[in-house]
Amino acid sequence: SQTIHQWPATLVQPVGSPLSLECTVEGTSNPNLYWYRQAAGRGLQLLFYSVGIGQISSEVPQNLSASRPQDRQFILSSKKLLLSDSSFYLCAWTGGVHTEAFFGQGTRLTVV
Amino acid sequence: DQQVKQNSPSLSVQEGRISILNCDYTNSMFDYFLWYKKYPAEGPTFLISISSIKDKNEDGRFTVFLNKSAKHLSLHIVPSQPGDSAVYFCAASGKNGANSKLTFGKGITLSVRP
Repeated sequence: SQTIHQWPATLVQPVGSPLSLECTVEGTSNPNLYWYRQAAGRGLQLLFYSVGIGQISSEVPQNLSASRPQDRQFILSSKKLLLSDSSFYLCAWTGGVHTEAFFGQGTRLTVV
Repeated sequence: DQQVKQNSPSLSVQEGRISILNCDYTNSMFDYFLWYKKYPAEGPTFLISISSIKDKNEDGRFTVFLNKSAKHLSLHIVPSQPGDSAVYFCAASGKNGANSKLTFGKGITLSVRP
């Protein structure tokens, strides 16, 4: 069966520090991978979307970047965190069009 | 531009009664629709989906209705239970290109009173 792992679950980082959140999927190949952010009262905002290795679509301009070094690995990064980057970050995968997305457990990032 | 809209931020219903959660979309290329349930500090979990070739899909206490001409869908929960209290997200996608990614609404907070 397919599983998705996202870590860490919580993270407290100082302003200006780098960020690396990792997401891996098991039990499937060539998944579509997503990074979402849930800010209070703003629902699920799509940040990045990837249909294959090295293929990243950015949905909103921001202080973050994403990479997909391997088929089932998706990484969310920042070189210098801002206070406004504090949020709940979610990784998800789908098997293709017209399939449901499966989410990781999320990472609560607090920038102090 | 919000392509998937959940205009009511919250809903409160009595246990045992029906909960009706509404969702509207603007992109006519969307042809697959989903509902997710989310508890605090957890990832959303998939509830039910519907393809645009149907107007109704039922799974236990959950039924999703789709009105393509109105670009509107709704989730009915009958009977509502206290454990249904959560945030519910509507999502949509299409077949091709940029439309194939899942787009979510802002969510509705459902409270079921015992």
